[in-house]
Amino acid sequence: GDSVTQTEGPVTVSESESLIINCTYSATSIAYPNLFWYVRYPGEGLQLLLKVITAGQKGSSRGFEATYNKETTSFHLQKASVQESDSAVYYCALGDQPYNQGKLIFGQGTKLSIKP
Amino acid sequence: GPKVLQIPSHQIIDMGQMVTLNCDPVSNHLYFYWYKQILGQQMEFLVNFYNGKVMEKSKLFKDQFSVERPDGSYFTLKIQPTALEDSAVYFCASSFGQGSTEVFFGKGTRLTVV
Repeated sequence: GDSVTQTEGPVTVSESESLIINCTYSATSIAYPNLFWYVRYPGEGLQLLLKVITAGQKGSSRGFEATYNKETTSFHLQKASVQESDSAVYYCALGDQPYNQGKLIFGQGTKLSIKP
Repeated sequence: GPKVLQIPSHQIIDMGQMVTLNCDPVSNHLYFYWYKQILGQQMEFLVNFYNGKVMEKSKLFKDQFSVERPDGSYFTLKIQPTALEDSAVYFCASSFGQGSTEVFFGKGTRLTVV
């Protein structure tokens, strides 16, 4: 079946440093799955950070970026300069049903801590 | 932004008993979902629900599970009877549509079966 693998946490980065959280996927049921990054801030519910539905395209939000790379089946999350408020758990996810974007396959989550 | 509320946040139940997990979805949303996350594992899709019917369910959605949303009130997940392996965090989610609309998640209910 389809699956998502992401950087195993926890990850600690100093404030103002750059960040990359790796995400690779395997999609056997669909050629071009939709790809998502979700984030859970402390005490909050999961929320959408960004999504990309077209291979080769880049999504961005709140200073984060991720590019849908069909060749390497990757969707790495990057940020040039992190802030303390970015401390959260980040989840890469795949949607293999474009008509049903609530049905997602999640990675295991990466807990990110930012050192001031 | 829009909130999905889950009540209670934590529930402890004796094995074999029935439990109902409640979800108050975003008010104008039409599609509803449950996910299950066992400690240390990924969140996994259980079921989605629309217009009073289960649209799709995964193999994790055992016969002991049922969902409903009577009269537009809470969207509920009922487990009867519960088993030890049902211990997990259950996340509810809702969306207005199924295509390109955003899905909103609740904070989860931690269910402990003892």
